[in-house]
Amino acid sequence: EVQLVQSGAEVKKPGESLKISCKGSGYSFTTYWIGWVRQMPGKGLEWMGIIYPGDSDTRYSPSFQGQVTISADKSIATAYLQWTSLKASDTALYYCARVGGGSFINWFDPWGQGTLVTVSS
Amino acid sequence: HSALTQPASVSGSPGQSITISCTGTSSDIGTYNLVSWYQQHPGKAPELMIYEVTKRPSGVSNRFSGSKSGNTASLTISGLQAEDEADYYCCSFAGSGPSYVFGTGTKVTVL
Repeated sequence: EVQLVQSGAEVKKPGESLKISCKGSGYSFTTYWIGWVRQMPGKGLEWMGIIYPGDSDTRYSPSFQGQVTISADKSIATAYLQWTSLKASDTALYYCARVGGGSFINWFDPWGQGTLVTVSS
Repeated sequence: HSALTQPASVSGSPGQSITISCTGTSSDIGTYNLVSWYQQHPGKAPELMIYEVTKRPSGVSNRFSGSKSGNTASLTISGLQAEDEADYYCCSFAGSGPSYVFGTGTKVTVL
């Protein structure tokens, strides 16, 4: 079974750093892109960026470029999303998902269970 | 790319059919046949229901179908059931980069 398991909920203060993880299993982790999606409280889904674990090729949504860093460690089949200085507005649920498709990768399936990040003083 | 536009809510009685629209632009939906749809129950992660406009992943009920015309994609749920009550999001490929844009989301209520 293809599965993505994310790290647990985090509570941080503004200005702190954070790295959350997404571990893949049941498939060849290095041959599928992994995407990250934000869902702010009571709001919709926003695409943040994707990474190809095979060579760490990373692409960001313009809205998130420079705000977060996406990385991967293929030796342990894990992708990461990190912040160097959190803001209250980073409070959200963050999902990772495998990205599928042919000539153009274009669908997200399956999804991790989500990681809730709360930033509050 | 701005978010794709969906109606905030759609409702129907059990057994009825409903259709959720998803309007984009000529830069996303209008150019690419790469629209996907996701169902999200409260407190749960999204699940893929339709990909590449009309394709259904294995395990997804054939009551769910997708279509596209111009800059607008649609998801139809036929034979509405109580378990279909959830939020639904469309998503379109928006250019090589690659980039993606999600819809604003639609809450489906089964009356």
